[in-house]
Amino acid sequence: NAGVTQTPKFQVLKTGQSMTLQCAQDMNHEYMSWYRQDPGMGLRLIHYSVGAGITDQGEVPNGYNVSRSTTEDFPLRLLSAAPSQTSVYFCASSSPGTGVTDTQYFGPGTRLTVL
Amino acid sequence: AQSVAQPEDQVNVAEGNPLTVKCTYSVSGNPYLFWYVQYPNRGLQFLLKYITGDNLVKGSYGFEAEFNKSQTSFHLKKPSALVSDSALYFCAVRDGRGSQGNLIFGKGTKLSVKP
Repeated sequence: NAGVTQTPKFQVLKTGQSMTLQCAQDMNHEYMSWYRQDPGMGLRLIHYSVGAGITDQGEVPNGYNVSRSTTEDFPLRLLSAAPSQTSVYFCASSSPGTGVTDTQYFGPGTRLTVL
Repeated sequence: AQSVAQPEDQVNVAEGNPLTVKCTYSVSGNPYLFWYVQYPNRGLQFLLKYITGDNLVKGSYGFEAEFNKSQTSFHLKKPSALVSDSALYFCAVRDGRGSQGNLIFGKGTKLSVKP
């Protein structure tokens, strides 16, 4: 099992550019989510998905889009990058189980800089 | 609204001494509490969780946490710190919203263990 994988590891964008952060998991987890990590602020939830075809907004969804066409993949799209989106982005997944008690598994992160 | 607080930005401990990383929470309903660790340039790794049952929860790498309902605390502890324990530690609570809930993280506490 590769677990949760994320690409790219590092990315530099110019303001206004678009890009997609990739996330994939091979554990057949139904639940997947995206967080951003900023210094002194912990991790904040951007979007999440409880299964293929179902997505919902988290705490800080503005400027980001997601889709979930397969169980394995959960890409995060920045349509028009802004300097405020400079951050480290983590993807996570968890097993169906009982939901609220499941452990989330995190990817290694993508470090994004927007100039 | 659910929330967690980690009152210390940094904790410094000498190797071999006991360590405590503090966490307090505010939830409506039953608390589902988690501790995660993040080593430099890595994703988050699950340490332990409290769902129900014994107030003392044992986790990975010799860590344990004590759930105290009256003090709404979930402090992370280890009897004898190692230099390799130096990392960023996050306390989290399960948000009861949504079909599976999401994690709400504290801001993190940097643990530094000196030889």
